[in-house]
Amino acid sequence: AIQLTQSPSSLSASVGDSVTITCRASQGISNSLAWYQQKPRKPPKLLMYDAYILQSGVPSRFSGSGSGTDFTLTISSLQSEDFATYYCQQFNSYPYSFGQGTKLEI
Amino acid sequence: EVQLVESGGGLVNPGGSLRLSCAASGFTFSDYTMNWVRQAPGKGLEWVSSITSFSNYIYYADSVKGRFTISRDDAKNSLHLLMNSLAAEDTAVYYCARGAITFDPWGQGTLVTVSS
Repeated sequence: AIQLTQSPSSLSASVGDSVTITCRASQGISNSLAWYQQKPRKPPKLLMYDAYILQSGVPSRFSGSGSGTDFTLTISSLQSEDFATYYCQQFNSYPYSFGQGTKLEI
Repeated sequence: EVQLVESGGGLVNPGGSLRLSCAASGFTFSDYTMNWVRQAPGKGLEWVSSITSFSNYIYYADSVKGRFTISRDDAKNSLHLLMNSLAAEDTAVYYCARGAITFDPWGQGTLVTVSS
């Protein structure tokens, strides 16, 4: 099974900052990676797929990159609504898997 | 509007069974792979199971294989998860989600608590 490791596990930042979250796969997954945002007591929301393609309606301050085993999610010019937990997910092969999450705090 | 609404959660004794359901609306349900993803209290997301259109292929996480059964009723636009031999570590919010590779959208979830 493919394991995903996110870093950092938590991150403190301020409105207007730029932050980067990393997701590393235990084996190559091409660009078969998605990112989700989850706010407390809400279901996750799909942000991005194929490592860098923004889901419709997601602001352009979110960007993704990477291929193979190393991926990044960057949020530029943080807004208050961006403070949440972020998860990566691989869909290269079953069993699908998620990273452990990165909590972005003010 | 695409909508997924889970039901069937609750408190169950260890070793017990529970059947979750997910009612879908706003899209052609039979065209889509459907999934269950769970989240233990205060923890991260764990993919549980997927079922493709026409139930051609079914996949399970190792943690639930042999105990959980996913199924779908395309005539009723509904997805189900039969959970047997439940243990404390199965305590979680169970989400229904649409999609073959990514999960979008998600339902609001139903809480399953396994405790005596």
